[in-house]
Amino acid sequence: KAGVTQTPRYLIKTRGQQVTLSCSPISGHRSVSWYQQTPGQGLQFLFEYFSETQRNKGNFPGRFSGRQFSNSRSEMNVSTLELGDSALYLCASSLESGGMETQYFGPGTRLLVL
Amino acid sequence: AQTVTQSQPEMSVQEAETVTLSCTYDTSENNYYLFWYKQPPSRQMILVIRQEAYKQQNATENRFSVNFQKAAKSFSLKISDSQLGDTAMYFCAFMSYNFNKFYFGSGTKLNVKP
Repeated sequence: KAGVTQTPRYLIKTRGQQVTLSCSPISGHRSVSWYQQTPGQGLQFLFEYFSETQRNKGNFPGRFSGRQFSNSRSEMNVSTLELGDSALYLCASSLESGGMETQYFGPGTRLLVL
Repeated sequence: AQTVTQSQPEMSVQEAETVTLSCTYDTSENNYYLFWYKQPPSRQMILVIRQEAYKQQNATENRFSVNFQKAAKSFSLKISDSQLGDTAMYFCAFMSYNFNKFYFGSGTKLNVKP
């Protein structure tokens, strides 16, 4: 089975712009979670989507949003980019939702905001 | 608020030896999950081991085992017979039972020396 894929792998944007990141989960997986990884704040949970519904959400401002399509692919959008949004954005998928499910991570999208 | 603390930013171990990574957490919840994730250099994050808080028995996965002390809110990872491929960043994580909270520690960089 193909693993979790994320596109694009690298992205450079300027402050004030918006960006959309994409995540394709492993075939058959219905849960997709997003994480932000920065040197300063470490790894932080953004949100989780399950069957096209946002099920859980971390503590991020409304500029961070996402959605999931019927084929379980997910997109994450960040509007009005700030310098502090520069980070590695990881996506992970699992068959179902919850702590008993093993999450499989993608390689990440590295976003640089100038 | 839940927090996860990894007090060892960096550790080294000789190949074939045993090393223990520390993790403490703070929560008022009774049921939850704890995880150790491994992020090798330039490679994807993978789940190493998982512990359910309501299970007293410590989880083991081959060379990896945990020492889960619920009352002390401690969750350490022991790696036996360390291998060069164990070189990675290790993250301890806490997830509430219903997945509405998911927190990571700041990570411990483990270097296995030949």
